[in-house]
Amino acid sequence: DAKTTQPTSMDCAEGRAANLPCNHSTISGNEYVYWYRQIHSQGPQYIIHGLKNNETNEMASLIITEDRKSSTLILPHATLRDTAVYYCIVSAQKTSYDKVIFGPGTSLSVIP
Amino acid sequence: NAGVTQTPKFRILKIGQSMTLQCTQDMNHNYMYWYRQDPGMGLKLIYYSVGAGITDKGEVPNGYNVSRSTTEDFPLRLELAAPSQTSVYFCATFRLQGAKETQYFGPGTRLLVL
Repeated sequence: DAKTTQPTSMDCAEGRAANLPCNHSTISGNEYVYWYRQIHSQGPQYIIHGLKNNETNEMASLIITEDRKSSTLILPHATLRDTAVYYCIVSAQKTSYDKVIFGPGTSLSVIP
Repeated sequence: NAGVTQTPKFRILKIGQSMTLQCTQDMNHNYMYWYRQDPGMGLKLIYYSVGAGITDKGEVPNGYNVSRSTTEDFPLRLELAAPSQTSVYFCATFRLQGAKETQYFGPGTRLLVL
């Protein structure tokens, strides 16, 4: 079973920030939080990952709570092209990036 | 640099037929994976490989076989196709060095078993 829980679906108005939550209450100390997205019929695309500090790149920001039991992916200015399924995954790097388990993810709809 | 390529893009099989799904990468990544994705569902890990000559089972390995004779290629074999294997199959690689560890996915192979 996936180690994370996410809402099944969310809507976001175009131009507004999309905040996608993820719970990972059983995360281990050496496990990173990864976010991917999958646009319809395409292969998943990496977005961002982090261990305990907040991270930001050109696509998104990742906010991880201090206890690391949950995180939020933030798309600062959502566009219609951000409509996709977003997957939150936890996995340990360098030791066991093997059985990476994808859950059903959150289906984000960006509305004009 | 083509990344991860998969062939064929689409295939229809009859029950009991066999086929090989090809996956090739040109990024020299050690880790490679095969996932399947059923309609409306997340990805399920079938097999993975941490390097040439080394493979291991994932969540749903039954009905499939893999081999990894080179770093570049990771073919997935279906010996006796069944309707339950109708799915989209994704191959992926993982780079395990530096601060930009990430998983790269191919475009997928759509398989229909009738």
